[in-house]
Amino acid sequence: DAGVTQSPTHLIKTRGQQVTLRCSPKSGHDTVSWYQQALGQGPQFIFQYYEEEERQRGNFPDRFSGHQFPNYSSELNVNALLLGDSALYLCASTEAGGYSYEQYFGPGTRLTVT
Amino acid sequence: AQKITQTQPGMFVQEKEAVTLDCTYDTSDQSYGLFWYKQPSSGEMIFLIYQGSYDEQNATEGRYSLNFQKARKSANLVISASQLGDSAMYFCAMRGHGSSNTGKLIFGQGTTLQVKP
Repeated sequence: DAGVTQSPTHLIKTRGQQVTLRCSPKSGHDTVSWYQQALGQGPQFIFQYYEEEERQRGNFPDRFSGHQFPNYSSELNVNALLLGDSALYLCASTEAGGYSYEQYFGPGTRLTVT
Repeated sequence: AQKITQTQPGMFVQEKEAVTLDCTYDTSDQSYGLFWYKQPSSGEMIFLIYQGSYDEQNATEGRYSLNFQKARKSANLVISASQLGDSAMYFCAMRGHGSSNTGKLIFGQGTTLQVKP
């Protein structure tokens, strides 16, 4: 049974560019959350997707957007990249619309903006 | 607002000894959940243990136990018989169960644990 998968593993982009990160949830999970983790910090909640809609959003600008597909996989898009967007981006999945206590994280995508 | 505080940036422990990682929290929710995650240098967040706010007994999972003191709003992680593979970053996290919460986790700043041979 595959856990949460994310792609790509690493990514290097230039300021002003756009990036798309992908996440496939654990089998049986229907809810996907995205987190940003700056170096040496704890993860910060970006947003959560359930039933193909953004259900809750953290304190992130509109440059951060996402999508959830019918198979529950999800994408995180970041436009007009800034140096401060350099971070590890983690995807977490859970079942039961997010109310199960078990949240499984993927290995993350490490984004470097130069 | 919900907040998690981890006051120990770094900890050292001798192999085979026990270690306690501190976590205090703040929330106005009556129902909430507390989590501990381990993050090795590879980056993946590994779930260790969960404590519900209404659970009367402290949670235990193998060598991990959670010392839950609700009145003090603390949820310390105890690792018994430390192993070299326990060296990692440890995060305490909280999830509220109120109507405005849909499962998002609030994380602390983390504690780096190093196990000495």
